[in-house]
Amino acid sequence: QKEVEQNSGPLSVPEGAIASLNCTYSDRGSQSFFWYRQYSGKSPELIMSIYSNGDKEDGRFTAQLNKASQYVSLLIRDSQPSDSATYLCAVNPGGGADGLTFGKGTHLIIQP
Amino acid sequence: ETGVTQSPTHLIKTRGQQVTLRCSSQSGHNTVSWYQQALGQGPQFIFQYYREEENGRGNFPPRFSGLQFPNYSSELNVNALELDDSALYLCASSLAGGDTQYFGPGTRLTVL
Repeated sequence: QKEVEQNSGPLSVPEGAIASLNCTYSDRGSQSFFWYRQYSGKSPELIMSIYSNGDKEDGRFTAQLNKASQYVSLLIRDSQPSDSATYLCAVNPGGGADGLTFGKGTHLIIQP
Repeated sequence: ETGVTQSPTHLIKTRGQQVTLRCSSQSGHNTVSWYQQALGQGPQFIFQYYREEENGRGNFPPRFSGLQFPNYSSELNVNALELDDSALYLCASSLAGGDTQYFGPGTRLTVL
């Protein structure tokens, strides 16, 4: 069974620091990887997508992918209280019709 | 550009009843996926529709069914509701051939 694992947290980070969120996946054939942010009571909002090994940066966010280790991470620089949310890692195992497989999410708290 | 919309926002049903949830995809998107998110869990893939046909399905029983219309909008139907069907139901749209999925605001279903 295809699985995506995340530490549920809560992960507490001081304002202005770097928050590091991690995710591992079981299906070695997975091709595309996503990070979504979900505020309490709201729907998931896409933050980053990554398809190739290495780093991808977008503003304060950096996604990192290591397919050999089956590991995806998200770094948030200069963390703000508004970054406090649950971060969901999602993996598309094939060409799209299989849907996304999500982890349970990591609850991130940015302390002012 | 119009985002993904869903209706209704909230719904309360009793066990054994049937429910229909609706979704309009983001403009230009012709693929719709449905997910179920129980409290404290990541979204679980139900099924995906492309060109008015189901082209992918997760581990959900046949009482979960759907439709997609020529304008790419979609319905999720659930028959014989059970207490465990209480969840946030999310619709996501994407471009055919691409797999970045954008979520609607969700429908909160409560089964009593």
